[in-house]
Amino acid sequence: QITLKESGPTLVKPTQTLTLTCSFSGFSVSTSGVGVGWIRQPPGKALEWLATIYWNDDERYSPSLQSRVTITKDTFKNQVVLTVTNMDPVDTATYYCARVLGSVGSIRLDWWGQGTLVTVSS
Amino acid sequence: EIVLTQSPATLSLSPGESATLSCRTSQDVMNYLAWYQQKPGQGPRLLIYAASIRATGIPVRFSGSGSGTDFTLTISSVEPEDFAVYYCKHHSNRLLSFGGGTRVEIK
Repeated sequence: QITLKESGPTLVKPTQTLTLTCSFSGFSVSTSGVGVGWIRQPPGKALEWLATIYWNDDERYSPSLQSRVTITKDTFKNQVVLTVTNMDPVDTATYYCARVLGSVGSIRLDWWGQGTLVTVSS
Repeated sequence: EIVLTQSPATLSLSPGESATLSCRTSQDVMNYLAWYQQKPGQGPRLLIYAASIRATGIPVRFSGSGSGTDFTLTISSVEPEDFAVYYCKHHSNRLLSFGGGTRVEIK
């Protein structure tokens, strides 16, 4: 049984740094071909990919957010952490983490968390 | 940056009808395309990857096709549980991007 769950603050102030944790079970992020990614979705809008970290410590970031986003993993705790600096009201969204599988032509997000809504407001 | 354009924005159908959803990419992406379904209040669900491979447990009424810049998700006979928003997603060098989505609603 694979599960992922996001946790972190539901409200942050503008300019603050957001830290979210993805806690997962049923797989290991040290297994070849496995990664964990973060995706967000502003209310009523489309999905936006933020970052992925892979079993081999390869980190990939959305070009539009690369300067503000960091992703790390703790293999022993089965957790992946996302930090987003300098939060703004436009960053208000539901943040999802997901397992990433595959390579080259078949990269897919096959298991998702339930998401956590983060509101940015003073 | 590759842009994914989904059409139509909204598709109104009755149960039992066939649904055809389009995803066009601004550059040739070979078959590096996946489809996801999202219902209200839920995280997305993987339907199709590598353009045409059904994910585990996905009903056969869902099929994907296409390569290059034009891709299609077809639902052969829409069931009541299929009314949702559908997103296509591309990956290149492990960077991901999503389309804007197509809402399939009950007519």
